[in-house]
Amino acid sequence: DTGVSQDPRHKITKRGQNVTFRCDPISEHNRLYWYRQTLGQGPEFLTYFQNEAQLEKSRLLSDRFSAERPKGSFSTLEIQRTEQGDSAMYLCASSPTGPDSDTQYFGPGTRLTVL
Amino acid sequence: GENVEQHPSTLSVQEGDSAVIKCTYSDSASNYFPWYKQELGKRPQLIIDIRSNVGEKKDQRIAVTLNKTAKHFSLHITETQPEDSAVYFCAASRNSGYSTLTFGKGTMLLVSP
Repeated sequence: DTGVSQDPRHKITKRGQNVTFRCDPISEHNRLYWYRQTLGQGPEFLTYFQNEAQLEKSRLLSDRFSAERPKGSFSTLEIQRTEQGDSAMYLCASSPTGPDSDTQYFGPGTRLTVL
Repeated sequence: GENVEQHPSTLSVQEGDSAVIKCTYSDSASNYFPWYKQELGKRPQLIIDIRSNVGEKKDQRIAVTLNKTAKHFSLHITETQPEDSAVYFCAASRNSGYSTLTFGKGTMLLVSP
């Protein structure tokens, strides 16, 4: 499968625990995005990477959230001291450079449940 | 920032009918408008997109129209089939070197056989 992949697909954790999600973009896509989607809503932008550089962060990304893309390939999103309000689907997307750079392809998401 | 409104929130049609979903946006600098289909538990899948230099784009049974003056765009699905049942999201972004998508809240389309 050459699409965007995410791991794990589901995560259940207790309030206060830390969690980390991984995203592997489509090969050679140098742009990577994280979104959060809650029930009945569209995805909301969290952060964006071009290669290894994190170029934008949404105000939704509190200081408990951190994202990295150390080698410009896969990315990780960590949530520290999880809260029940963090329960959501976390989606990753990637896009290429060039004329189709605004076309984003999404992964299957990681569904987080905070008890 | 950009704000995207999407209507209706739910749409029920009979198989074979047409379905239309409408979106409005607020940022006149937005120039890229994709539509995604999301089936239950699945990833959002890009089904069609349009850029501001065209007014209409078709791909088989689906089409998108864009009115930049009025800042609205619409998805049209003809000859609907039960497998078209899903949640559809519109989105908008500006070309500022990268594209942060702002999504609408989605339309749940139900196509009854």
